[in-house]
Amino acid sequence: QKEVEQNSGPLSVPEGAIASLNCTYSDRGSQSFFWYRQYSGKSPELIMFIYSNGDKEDGRFTAQLNKASQYVSLLIRDSQPSDSATYLCAVNPTGNQFYFGTGTSLTVIP
Amino acid sequence: GAVVSQHPSWVICKSGTSVKIECRSLDFQATTMFWYRQFPKQSLMLMATSNEGSKATYEQGVEKDKFLINHASLTLSTLTVTSAHPEDSSFYICSASPGLADGEQFFGPGTRLTVL
Repeated sequence: QKEVEQNSGPLSVPEGAIASLNCTYSDRGSQSFFWYRQYSGKSPELIMFIYSNGDKEDGRFTAQLNKASQYVSLLIRDSQPSDSATYLCAVNPTGNQFYFGTGTSLTVIP
Repeated sequence: GAVVSQHPSWVICKSGTSVKIECRSLDFQATTMFWYRQFPKQSLMLMATSNEGSKATYEQGVEKDKFLINHASLTLSTLTVTSAHPEDSSFYICSASPGLADGEQFFGPGTRLTVL
């Protein structure tokens, strides 16, 4: 069983729409959850992290965490073509261990 | 803040040679550094975790004698790919953790290795 699972996509949304990216994880004891964006040929860059149940908003991005369902999501409002990238979900069970999902490819169509 | 650099950013080498990649945390001390490998259109694969002054912990299936990791200081870790072969061609990315409670890692820009 994979530690972190994401729908690989590709996910396509029109410009201005809301993009919804989902991630499930297997370790119920996981403490911290991260969303990274990776452009082709570049290394991942952190978008935001969350560790409490509920929503966390940062600009156009909202992370949602439901520990009971072992589910974390990322919403991108007012999607822009520059948001087109692969989005990686990462889970930190304990200490410095990180498990990454395989990523969801997002394309925002102008 | 929290900048991680890698050098070189791009390297081509002949089969059988060794290549060293450096990872530096520029504005913080990294208690732990991680080395990842990423093949085209695939996700990051953790290769090893290293703590300053101690031996690296390698993930299952990663040959420690082929991928030598040295974490000599709190700001520098090196990965040496020994006797490189074409199948080692990949994008190698390091990350560094300052040891925050949430476990956040900061990624370097990556090194693209091509073995001819």
